[in-house]
Amino acid sequence: DTGVSQDPRHKITKRGQNVTFRCDPISEHNRLYWYRQTLGQGPEFLTYFQNEAQLEKSRLLSDRFSAERPKGSFSTLEIQRTEQGDSAMYLCASSFGPKNTEAFFGQGTRLTVV
Amino acid sequence: TQLLEQSPQFLSIQEGENLTVYCNSSSVFSSLQWYRQEPGEGPVLLVTVVTGGEVKKLKRLTFQFGDARKDSSLHITAAQPGDTGLYLCAGAYFGNEKLTFGTGTRLTIIP
Repeated sequence: DTGVSQDPRHKITKRGQNVTFRCDPISEHNRLYWYRQTLGQGPEFLTYFQNEAQLEKSRLLSDRFSAERPKGSFSTLEIQRTEQGDSAMYLCASSFGPKNTEAFFGQGTRLTVV
Repeated sequence: TQLLEQSPQFLSIQEGENLTVYCNSSSVFSSLQWYRQEPGEGPVLLVTVVTGGEVKKLKRLTFQFGDARKDSSLHITAAQPGDTGLYLCAGAYFGNEKLTFGTGTRLTIIP
């Protein structure tokens, strides 16, 4: 399978714990995006990378959130000191970019903070 | 802040009927995509439109991009239960190439 891969698919954590999600984009894509989606809403932009450079971060991305793409390939999204409001689906997408915005999504990581 | 509005928010129709979903913005898109998402899964890309007035067809789905590139519509002919899902439009704006998503239209086709 050469699509976007996310791991884990589901994560249940206690409030206050740290969690880390991984995204492996389509191999030839140099843009990688993170979105968050809550029930009944469209995905909200969090951040994106062009190769290893983080080009933009949403104001939604508080200082408890950090994303990396160290070698311009896979990316990780870490949430520190999780809160119940962090419960959501975290989606990763990649595109060939920068002129091609056609993005392909992974299956997402469903986070539940209890 | 660029806002992308979709209407209707919910739509429930009988199998075999036709329907249209709308996506509107106050700003000009450089490109626009339509996605379909099923529960617990990521959005799946259906189509990309780039040129004002462009029409693209995907089997029973017809996508149109407004002449001014500020709006788009998705028309489904003879809807089938397999069309059930959340339909999302997403646009990229000039000078800001991340995708901004609409709130979605939840479509239910009743057999």
